Amino acid sequence: DGGITQSPKYLFRKEGQNVTLSCEQNLNHDAMYWYRQDPGQGLRLIYYSQIVNDFQKGDIAEGYSVSREKKESFPLTVTSAQKNPTAFYLCASAPGTRDYGYTFGSGTRLTVV
Amino acid sequence: GENVEQHPSTLSVQEGDSAVIKCTYSDSASNYFPWYKQELGKRPQLIIDIRSNVGEKKDQRIAVTLNKTAKHFSLHITETQPEDSAVYFCAASTYSTLTFGKGTMLLVSP
Repeated sequence: DGGITQSPKYLFRKEGQNVTLSCEQNLNHDAMYWYRQDPGQGLRLIYYSQIVNDFQKGDIAEGYSVSREKKESFPLTVTSAQKNPTAFYLCASAPGTRDYGYTFGSGTRLTVV
Repeated sequence: GENVEQHPSTLSVQEGDSAVIKCTYSDSASNYFPWYKQELGKRPQLIIDIRSNVGEKKDQRIAVTLNKTAKHFSLHITETQPEDSAVYFCAASTYSTLTFGKGTMLLVSP
């Protein structure tokens, strides 16, 4: 069953902690994306990757980091520099980077405690 | 960069009515325009898309129209049903990424 899997579904972060959100896909897609969703804000792009070992900043990259060591995996780290990390995080993948619809994961809800 | 505006932010209709959601975009280089449906707490799912060489596309009760000259595109849902209640996002493809509108919450009352 092909798809894109995000884990965990819920994550709680203490002040000053770094946390890592997992995203794995078995669709053989080249491109992967991280979006942040806040109420009334739509989906805002954090980072994206077109190929292994390469990634680009999106509109709201400050306080986040990513890696793309394998085609299937694109983890997102929310660092302590991100001052307002409470949000719903969505990972997506696409066959290529131009004019393709995304397949989304089921999301991770991150809450600061 | 690309900017996508979506209206209305909330839309309430009676079951059986039609619903129309409109989006405008700024970058004339955009060529691909998908629409996503997101039910509460779930992932967005692609419901229909259109490319710039096509003016209209239909899939059962859903249709999308595109006016490249005016840089706007619209989602039309006919014979709405309660299960159509969700948040709908439009998007425009610009080079390497999709830029999304802020979403429309559609509420269909029985």
